[in-house]
Amino acid sequence: EAQVTQNPRYLITVTGKKLTVTCSQNMNHEYMSWYRQDPGLGLRQIYYSMNVEVTDKGDVPEGYKVSRKEKRNFPLILESPSPNQTSLYFCASSFLAGTTKNIQYFGAGTRLSVL
Amino acid sequence: TQLLEQSPQFLSIQEGENLTVYCNSSSVFSSLQWYRQEPGEGPVLLVTVVTGGEVKKLKRLTFQFGDARKDSSLHITAAQPGDTGLYLCAGVFYGGSQGNLIFGKGTKLSVKP
Repeated sequence: EAQVTQNPRYLITVTGKKLTVTCSQNMNHEYMSWYRQDPGLGLRQIYYSMNVEVTDKGDVPEGYKVSRKEKRNFPLILESPSPNQTSLYFCASSFLAGTTKNIQYFGAGTRLSVL
Repeated sequence: TQLLEQSPQFLSIQEGENLTVYCNSSSVFSSLQWYRQEPGEGPVLLVTVVTGGEVKKLKRLTFQFGDARKDSSLHITAAQPGDTGLYLCAGVFYGGSQGNLIFGKGTKLSVKP
């Protein structure tokens, strides 16, 4: 079954404590992306990766890091989380970004609270 | 920052009614997508359009891409309670990175039986 798996689904942490949200896909997709979703602001892209070792900033990259060492994994790292990073996070993947062949699959989301 | 404006923000209608959701920008898209999201889940892709003037149909849903590729609409005929959800448009802007997907804020649709 085609899947994008995020872990954890829920996380409560404190300011400054480094955390990693993992994302894995089993579809051999080149493209992966991270978004955050906030009430009134919609989905905003944090970082994306067009392929292994190729990452680029989205619209709201401040305070986040990513890496793409393997095709299937695209972890999101918060080195020093702050309360304004409390949000619902989604990982997504697809074969070809921005084309009609692009069917972007989303994970189920990670709800993060930073106290 | 390039923006995608979606309207209306909220829509509450009775079963059987028709509705249209709009997605507009001052910039040109190289491609545009429509998604539907239900509470507690990630968005699910409905359609991708890339050609100006393109019309795509998915059962009772009709998607139209503007001739100038700056706007799009989603029309639902005879809405049903199962259509309830958050509808999102997302675009890749012409001249921008193919990986940089910009989302509208969404239209929250509620269809009452």
